[in-house]
Amino acid sequence: GAGVSQTPSNKVTEKGKYVELRCDPISGHTALYWYRQSLGQGPEFLIYFQGTGAADDSGLPNDRFFAVRPEGSVSTLKIQRTERGDSAVYLCASSLAGGGANTQYFGPGTRLTVL
Amino acid sequence: AQTVTQSQPEMSVQEAETVTLSCTYDTSESDYYLFWYKQPPSRQMILVIRQEAYKQQNATENRFSVNFQKAAKSFSLKISDSQLGDAAMYFCAYRSSNSGYALNFGKGTSLLVTP
Repeated sequence: GAGVSQTPSNKVTEKGKYVELRCDPISGHTALYWYRQSLGQGPEFLIYFQGTGAADDSGLPNDRFFAVRPEGSVSTLKIQRTERGDSAVYLCASSLAGGGANTQYFGPGTRLTVL
Repeated sequence: AQTVTQSQPEMSVQEAETVTLSCTYDTSESDYYLFWYKQPPSRQMILVIRQEAYKQQNATENRFSVNFQKAAKSFSLKISDSQLGDAAMYFCAYRSSNSGYALNFGKGTSLLVTP
């Protein structure tokens, strides 16, 4: 079946602009995660959704970052007033459920470049 | 917070040979999960192998196996009969079974496979 997909693959924007990154999880997966991967680093957790609600948003760096999942499937990560330090690869993952035993399947990521 | 350390930024192995990638972690929990993910240049994180902390037996998936030493908090990955397609970044990750659902990743090890 289809895996996790993310659009766009690459996004270049100017400092101060607003961006939206989209994630389509594997069909039937109720849990969805966003991670951010800076150059030379491992992914860092941003936010976790169980269904439509954000069950854990402790990884969001500040209030410029926000994510939604209104129908419990597709999720959008929104970044306001982008800064150069926001440049990174944003990875989305989904799992069948949110328990620790469930494997997270990752998408190919969106590379965000803020000029 | 749990920390994951990968002390080898880069490793090299000849085709058909065996290589071991190191990972240590810090936790006060007794129940958790450990993972090795592979990230090729396509950016997509691919699960290689997982280990439940309550299991004493080391996990094995074809040419990939782990050496899980719970007391030492060590979780190394052994790749046997290395193939050119194994070249990638390898990330070790920790996930609590009790609190939170995020994966905590190390900084990764870049594996080069030479013919």
